[in-house]
Amino acid sequence: NAGVTQTPKFQVLKTGQSMTLQCAQDMNHEYMSWYRQDPGMGLRLIHYSVGAGITDQGEVPNGYNVSRSTTEDFPLRLLSAAPSQTSVYFCASTPGQGDPLAKNIQYFGAGTRLSVL
Amino acid sequence: AQKITQTQPGMFVQEKEAVTLDCTYDTSDPSYGLFWYKQPSSGEMIFLIYQGSYDQQNATEGRYSLNFQKARKSANLVISASQLGDSAMYFCAMREGLLFSGGYNKLIFGAGTRLAVHP
Repeated sequence: NAGVTQTPKFQVLKTGQSMTLQCAQDMNHEYMSWYRQDPGMGLRLIHYSVGAGITDQGEVPNGYNVSRSTTEDFPLRLLSAAPSQTSVYFCASTPGQGDPLAKNIQYFGAGTRLSVL
Repeated sequence: AQKITQTQPGMFVQEKEAVTLDCTYDTSDPSYGLFWYKQPSSGEMIFLIYQGSYDQQNATEGRYSLNFQKARKSANLVISASQLGDSAMYFCAMREGLLFSGGYNKLIFGAGTRLAVHP
């Protein structure tokens, strides 16, 4: 019962470095998404995908890239890290099929805590 | 623009008592859905309960119930008989459009309320 797996759990970067946050789900869910969580704010949507090969921007997409080559994986890339990207990042997957409520429930990973110095 | 407001940064409750976590929302869309998620210290968000804007009755799920007051645009979460394991962050979230309207479930989250249950 792995669910949504995020790696790494913690990461420290220097300004300008690049890295990829990994997200994998084993539930055959159609939709996947990335959020960031900052103190005093709710989760904000960065990017999402409604299927392999299909991605779209969320509320705060600048500075992040995504791709979805398989149903299972949805990596988030930071091309040139900035201190403003210090945050906790959550990946979520959503069934996309089933009854109206069940298909819309988002299942979250445990998060990646990122610090950019 | 849609917005979720959770005015209580922190709450505490005695074990076995009931507690209400406040959530107000703003939207111009008559069709919307409201979600509550729990975030324990382990980090992952866990879905608790859902209320649709046209649902006639308040949603209930075990010890969780949603006090939905449409005219006041509030959707407060009530936890009955609090347990130590209820200590966590709780987030209210909204989606514009009903669930069966299809498409990706874009959620707007509030800032959360941290609940501490005392023995």
